[in-house]
Amino acid sequence: DTEVTQTPKHLVMGMTNKKSLKCEQHMGHRAMYWYKQKAKKPPELMFVYSYEKLSINESVPSRFSPECPNSSLLNLHLHALQPEDSALYLCASSPGGPTSGRGTQYFGPGTRLTVL
Amino acid sequence: AQSVAQPEDQVNVAEGNPLTVKCTYSVSGNPYLFWYVQYPNRGLQFLLKYITGDNLVKGSYGFEAEFNKSQTSFHLKKPSALVSDSALYFCAVRAIYNQGGKLIFGQGTELSVKP
Repeated sequence: DTEVTQTPKHLVMGMTNKKSLKCEQHMGHRAMYWYKQKAKKPPELMFVYSYEKLSINESVPSRFSPECPNSSLLNLHLHALQPEDSALYLCASSPGGPTSGRGTQYFGPGTRLTVL
Repeated sequence: AQSVAQPEDQVNVAEGNPLTVKCTYSVSGNPYLFWYVQYPNRGLQFLLKYITGDNLVKGSYGFEAEFNKSQTSFHLKKPSALVSDSALYFCAVRAIYNQGGKLIFGQGTELSVKP
């Protein structure tokens, strides 16, 4: 089973709101990723967690705050977002850590975020 | 610097005809190469990958891709296109020793298969 789940599917929030996105995988993968994707563009990497530690932050603004409570869960906390942050947010996971030769990333269905 | 190029923004094919979606890459060392497909309002779905071994890689839904090291290409192919293959296709590369497992994506190719 190569399933990554994400909740919620859709989220609408105001610029002063605080919300969180959730991602879960039960494949025993040790690397998890957050991506942002605009319509018909490639995904842009935001964060990478390897063995529950943040290993990459692609200079993402502090209004996005990732959290990895355990090896199966990944959260993205959102605060004071801007309308240009509206996008599809994708979570992915890969086995054996990100530098493993078996590093196929499997993606979740995404959360469609709209910031008003 | 690593990069991936998908030279065609859009590919149009008639149902039943063969399809090719092109991808070329630039990376230091030996690459890991991937193809993903994205249907509207969905996440990326893994199709196939090249790590090592046979240059012809077979994947999901009848897709295959040919790794050509001399031409630094990894074109996606299917012998007979289906209308349901219409989607956005992304090629991606990751250098074997790249820290962090970062994937470098191409800009995407929109495939349209008409009946």
